[in-house]
Amino acid sequence: KNQVEQSPQSLIILEGKNCTLQCNYTVSPFSNLRWYKQDTGRGPVSLTIMTFSENTKSNGRYTATLDADTKQSSLHITASQLSDSASYICVVSGNTGGFKTIFGAGTRLFVKA
Amino acid sequence: DVKVTQSSRYLVKRTGEKVFLECVQDMDHENMFWYRQDPGLGLRLIYFSYDVKMKEKGDIPEGYSVSREKKERFSLILESASTNQTSMYLCASSPHSGVGGSPLHFGNGTRLTVT
Repeated sequence: KNQVEQSPQSLIILEGKNCTLQCNYTVSPFSNLRWYKQDTGRGPVSLTIMTFSENTKSNGRYTATLDADTKQSSLHITASQLSDSASYICVVSGNTGGFKTIFGAGTRLFVKA
Repeated sequence: DVKVTQSSRYLVKRTGEKVFLECVQDMDHENMFWYRQDPGLGLRLIYFSYDVKMKEKGDIPEGYSVSREKKERFSLILESASTNQTSMYLCASSPHSGVGGSPLHFGNGTRLTVT
């Protein structure tokens, strides 16, 4: 069964600290993995996309990693800011003749001053 | 910037009412999608459309229908609203290069409450 599991469910950190969010998936065959950020009351916005051959990709203070062998991805946030408070959603697309896109339930990040 | 606009941020409807959720995108995207988002669950696909007048069922189409008469507009219809359809509904669009290869552009959602 194609699944995307994210951990932790929620996380509270102090402003300026780093954090890492995890995503494990069982989607096969794998096409790509995206991380989205969803601010409260808004729709998700794409942060990064990673394909099978990519191990690391950065977008400002956000760095995503992918291990296609173990089917794991992480999103590392450096020097967190209050505006990083949001839900972070891992989305995996498989290539099964048509496209199959599976969404994780998200990690809710709270950054405190 | 792509803009996906959902006509209502909040809706409260009674059980049995017919409900229309409207979505408009301004980037000439071929693909449009309707998802629902519930706490503790990932977004679940209700319906999608890859062209005008074309529609495909997603993972949870029961109790819903859609209409795409114009390329920029994709409507979600609840023929007879029920309390288990209380949820956040998100519309999204993407160009025809394939869902996997292009990001989904989301609207800000419609929070529907059915009483």
